[in-house]
Amino acid sequence: KAGVTQTPRYLIKTRGQQVTLSCSPISGHRSVSWYQQTPGQGLQFLFEYFSETQRNKGNFPGRFSGRQFSNSRSEMNVSTLELGDSALYLCASSLSGGDTQYFGPGTRLTVL
Amino acid sequence: AQSVTQLDSQVPVFEEAPVELRCNYSSSVSVYLFWYVQYPNQGLQLLLKYLSGSTLVKGINGFEAEFNKSQTSFHLRKPSVHISDTAEYFCAVSGFQGGSEKLVFGKGTKLTVNP
Repeated sequence: KAGVTQTPRYLIKTRGQQVTLSCSPISGHRSVSWYQQTPGQGLQFLFEYFSETQRNKGNFPGRFSGRQFSNSRSEMNVSTLELGDSALYLCASSLSGGDTQYFGPGTRLTVL
Repeated sequence: AQSVTQLDSQVPVFEEAPVELRCNYSSSVSVYLFWYVQYPNQGLQLLLKYLSGSTLVKGINGFEAEFNKSQTSFHLRKPSVHISDTAEYFCAVSGFQGGSEKLVFGKGTKLTVNP
């Protein structure tokens, strides 16, 4: 069974731009969560989607948003990029709430 | 609210030596506990998990961890490490509340195995 895939793997953007990251979960998994990893703040929870609905949200500004499609694939969008948004963005999928989360390889976003 | 404390940010050891990476957590609800490993420029790989049952959990690559509810700890151990174990290790707690879940991670422990 294929693992969690994330595209693109690397992105370079400039301040003020917006970006969309994509995540395809493991087949059969209906929950997708997003995390931001930075050297200073570590791993922080962004949001979780289940059956196309956002069920949980972390403490991030409204510039960070996401959605989930009927096939469980998920996208996250960051608008008006800031230098501090440079990070590794990790997506994780699980069967449903309360299950083990399996992570993708991440998307490395650099904001110049 | 849950929190995780990984007591050591860096742990250097020699090859074939034993290692223990320490993790303490706090939570007001029943929790699930996890250890993940991250190799350079990669995502997180699940090492092991505690959901319920036996407090001694065995994972991949010869790692094991023991859940201690009274001490709110979930320390990771390996009796003999290899160079290839050099990586960053993250302890995480998940409290399944209200039909939703999120992982709360510790700051990570960088394990360096020297020849």
